Amino acid sequence: GAVVSQHPSRVICKSGTSVKIECRSLDFQATTMFWYRQFPKQSLMLMATSNEGSKATYEQGVEKDKFLINHASLTLSTLTVTSAHPEDSSFYICSPMASYGYTFGSGTRLTVV
Amino acid sequence: DAKTTQPPSMDCAEGRAANLPCNHSTISGNEYVYWYRQIHSQGPQYIIHGLKNNETNEMASLIITEDRKSSTLILPHATLRDTAVYYCIVSYSGNTPLVFGKGTRLSVIA
Repeated sequence: GAVVSQHPSRVICKSGTSVKIECRSLDFQATTMFWYRQFPKQSLMLMATSNEGSKATYEQGVEKDKFLINHASLTLSTLTVTSAHPEDSSFYICSPMASYGYTFGSGTRLTVV
Repeated sequence: DAKTTQPPSMDCAEGRAANLPCNHSTISGNEYVYWYRQIHSQGPQYIIHGLKNNETNEMASLIITEDRKSSTLILPHATLRDTAVYYCIVSYSGNTPLVFGKGTRLSVIA
């Protein structure tokens, strides 16, 4: 159990464009989804928490208009990085909450050039 | 902020036991101790968790002190594939996010 699919695994985009990251829970339903980002040589930092059907709650310093989170179903959540800039280059990781505990996606390496 | 303190790095010889310490002196009564690891450029991988009693599974053993202020993760026979950053996290079980500290970078050496 607890199979999480996160796509793409890596993406390179031009500055000013938008990138969508998908996170699917394949064999369980996730009412709650956490999104993290990880800069090089640093730990995972929580960006936002979303509950299915509700607006996401963002951590201090994370721009909600820049990092759009959609959690419209119990098996799919998306994070869209809008108007990406080089400083948004990071490793993004989703974490769907299963009934039996925490799960994590395999991460998306975003490089903005 | 993370409520745990871990050494930044450790080395372990292949085939030997790796003992990774963690201090969590401010842990609350209902908070669990979780251990995850992250291999380079991958998402965190669950290892083990516990509340009060020692726990063992196919991957590792978790030893929690009686006062719950510290714990040790034991990998009984470390292999090169165990090289990773190991995170000790205390958290309530439920819909609260895990807060990651800096972890311990374990290097298993042949």
